[in-house]
Amino acid sequence: AQKITQTQPGMFVQEKEAVTLDCTYDTSDQSYGLFWYKQPSSGEMIFLIYQGSYDEQNATEGRYSLNFQKARKSANLVISASQLGDSAMYFCAMREGNTPLVFGKGTRLSVIA
Amino acid sequence: DAGVIQSPRHEVTEMGQEVTLRCKPISGHDYLFWYRQTMMRGLELLIYFNNNVPIDDSGMPEDRFSAKMPNASFSTLKIQPSEPRDSAVYFCASSSTVMNTEAFFGQGTRLTVV
Repeated sequence: AQKITQTQPGMFVQEKEAVTLDCTYDTSDQSYGLFWYKQPSSGEMIFLIYQGSYDEQNATEGRYSLNFQKARKSANLVISASQLGDSAMYFCAMREGNTPLVFGKGTRLSVIA
Repeated sequence: DAGVIQSPRHEVTEMGQEVTLRCKPISGHDYLFWYRQTMMRGLELLIYFNNNVPIDDSGMPEDRFSAKMPNASFSTLKIQPSEPRDSAVYFCASSSTVMNTEAFFGQGTRLTVV
């Protein structure tokens, strides 16, 4: 079974608008971490934000926030005030303890001027 | 810290040749991961090390692939002989031993086998 599911292959958003990228996960562990990475066209993998399974508050990092709904096993990324430079592939990933990160298939975000 | 360093950034080789990809993890990180990224399969884990010891190599596609970590600051991924279907971007990543922490990725090596 897929551990990380990203159902949106591609998304469009108008500049300055907010956008939500969906991610659901599957685990039976109590302790795990959820991550979002950005991959621009240049190819590098850039870590954006982290949410621990025991964190009660949703994680925020600047314009990025993670909408963590534990009971629904979802960890959606919200990008506020989109910028043209946000156009990239976005990957949701999970780590259970010190096991390797497992990635979803990614969502390609295009920001339109 | 300079981050995870991979070399070369790009490699073009002929089918049948040996290819060696190199990685220097972040100093102090005890975990090192090799991932491969393709359009068809996305990001898939090939192998990972903890304290220089291979922990899980079940993602290595076949015997043509091998990986080593002779010390804490260096790892190699070798493909011998290479085939066109090995063409992909290969990422090395490292992380600390703190539970559930992020992995830091190198810039990747884009391998093209012709």
